[in-house]
Amino acid sequence: QVQLVQSGAEVKKPGASVKVSCKASGYTFTSYDINWVRQATGQGLEWMGWMNPNSGNTGYAQKFQGRVTMTRNTSISTAYMELSSLRSEDTAVYYCARGFSIAADWGQGTLVTVSS
Amino acid sequence: DIQMTQSPSTLSASVGDRVTITCRASQSISSWLAWYQQKPGKAPKLLIYKASSLESGVPSRFSGSGSGTEFTLTISSLQPDDFATYYCQQYNSYWAFGQGTKVEIK
Repeated sequence: QVQLVQSGAEVKKPGASVKVSCKASGYTFTSYDINWVRQATGQGLEWMGWMNPNSGNTGYAQKFQGRVTMTRNTSISTAYMELSSLRSEDTAVYYCARGFSIAADWGQGTLVTVSS
Repeated sequence: DIQMTQSPSTLSASVGDRVTITCRASQSISSWLAWYQQKPGKAPKLLIYKASSLESGVPSRFSGSGSGTEFTLTISSLQPDDFATYYCQQYNSYWAFGQGTKVEIK
């Protein structure tokens, strides 16, 4: 079965960067886009961007342009999302999701806490 | 960017009630709309795609309709497991989510 397993919780200081991983299994990693979505506590879902694991092509939400980088390592079927210049407002659960259009498969989420 | 607006933000209902949630897009998205259910501490679960197509394994009490800029999610007879937050998502141009509708016990 399809599984997306994300890395563990992180605590970062303001101004630092965080890199979250999303390891895929149960399907051909390069055949489906990976999207990243975040959710602050008690808030809604916010789309951050997508990556095509085959080509490495990416597209980012305007809000995160210049601060987010999505990459992959096809040899280990893993996608990465790096967010830089962290601020307190970036405290959230970050999800990876499989699919170009809709997402039937999601990772379990990674809590990133930004605190001095 | 396409903006998605859901209403209401919160809905109080009883088991057995018919429930309708509305989602409006800031511009036409044809039928490129999905609905998700999310429970606390869990990832979203896909319910409906292409505005009205039911995802495999999702109970038939869930249905979706609409096209263009106005869409609805209907739960025909609310069950205890349905108390959750629901999000619409457009995928006509990248992704964007509505702000969510929390369905609470009345």
